[in-house]
Amino acid sequence: NAGVMQNPRHLVRRRGQEARLRCSPMKGHSHVYWYRQLPEEGLKFMVYLQKENIIDESGMPKERFSAEFPKEGPSILRIQQVVRGDSAAYFCASSPRTSGGGTEQFFGPGTRLTVL
Amino acid sequence: AQKVTQAQTEISVVEKEDVTLDCVYETRDTTYYLFWYKQPPSGELVFLIRRNSFDEQNEISGRYSWNFQKSTSSFNFTITASQVVDSAVYFCALSEAGSGNTGKLIFGQGTTLQVKP
Repeated sequence: NAGVMQNPRHLVRRRGQEARLRCSPMKGHSHVYWYRQLPEEGLKFMVYLQKENIIDESGMPKERFSAEFPKEGPSILRIQQVVRGDSAAYFCASSPRTSGGGTEQFFGPGTRLTVL
Repeated sequence: AQKVTQAQTEISVVEKEDVTLDCVYETRDTTYYLFWYKQPPSGELVFLIRRNSFDEQNEISGRYSWNFQKSTSSFNFTITASQVVDSAVYFCALSEAGSGNTGKLIFGQGTTLQVKP
């Protein structure tokens, strides 16, 4: 039973390019959370998605960032026109059911984005 | 507003010493969950424990133990007889469970633990 998968594990982009981060949840999980960990900081919630729906995007920057979780395929976190401040580790977590809080989230290994 | 504070940025101990990592949280919900995660140098997040707000019993798992005290809004983590492999960043997190909450985790800033041989 494979865990949460994220790819790529490391991504290097130049300023102004686009970054696409992928997350495949655990089998049977239809809820995905994205978190960002800036250097020397804790993880910050970005967005919560269920299949084909964005449920909570209160942690997403207002511009350049978007997320989707299509009916088929992985969840995608997309960052347009990256800037150096976007350099961070991006973690995805999946959950098996509706979270009213407390449902364990299973974390992927993260994608380390470096913007040159 | 919800918040998690880990006041200890870095702790350094010598192997076999006991060490306690502090976690203080703020929430208006009466139902919530608290978590501890470990992030070793390799970078992944390892789940350690989940505790709900109605269960104040302390828990012990091998060398690890957790002390949950609602009166002081604290959920402290103790490692007994520390080992070099315990060296990592440890995160405390909160998830509110009231109506309308989506289960997102609110993380503290983390405590870097270094265990020296």
